[in-house]
Amino acid sequence: EIVLTQSPGTLSLSPGERATLSCRASQSVTSSYLAWYQQKPGQAPRLLIYGASSRATGIPDRFSGSGSGTDFTLTISRLEPEDFAVYYCQQYGSSPFTFGPGTKVDIK
Amino acid sequence: EVQVVESGGGLVQPGGSLRLSCAASGFTFSSYAMSWVRQAPGKGLEWVSAISGSGSSTYYADSVKGRFTISRDNSKNTLYLQMNSLRAEDTAVYYCAKCNRGNSAYNAIDYWGQGTLVTVSS
Repeated sequence: EIVLTQSPGTLSLSPGERATLSCRASQSVTSSYLAWYQQKPGQAPRLLIYGASSRATGIPDRFSGSGSGTDFTLTISRLEPEDFAVYYCQQYGSSPFTFGPGTKVDIK
Repeated sequence: EVQVVESGGGLVQPGGSLRLSCAASGFTFSSYAMSWVRQAPGKGLEWVSAISGSGSSTYYADSVKGRFTISRDNSKNTLYLQMNSLRAEDTAVYYCAKCNRGNSAYNAIDYWGQGTLVTVSS
């Protein structure tokens, strides 16, 4: 089973700042099958990025993904008020398709 | 508009069984893999199971293997999760979810239901 580790656990930033979230895998993720999701309280998750770097439909271009192998990054170029949420990475290249523990981005 | 709507959650005693259903609409159901993902209260997401569009391939988390069974009825546009030998640690909101690119379960999830709560307690 591939174990995903996300850092930091919590990121405290102000609107307009840049957010950099990390997701590290215990072994190489096949074909960069790595996704990022955003979840707000009381809501279902929303797909942001798939294939490590492809934005999902309707996702603003301030969200970008990068990385390969075992190290992946989600960058939010300028935080908007609606971006404060929990972010999860998931690998779907090898079953079981595991999630990371999440990074909470909160307002400083 | 793509919609997935879960049902069947509720309170069940340890060792009991429950079957979740997920009614899908707004897309060609048989052409897409589907997944179940759960979230215990106040915790993170946990992938549970997935099934290919045709139903021929199924995948499970180690924590549920041998106890849960995923299936689908493409004629009814419905996904199922049969849960047996339930434990307290299975208590969670269970999300039905559609994979984003075709028949294979090796895909990200692009649509999620609102979830159904399963509580395992005596």
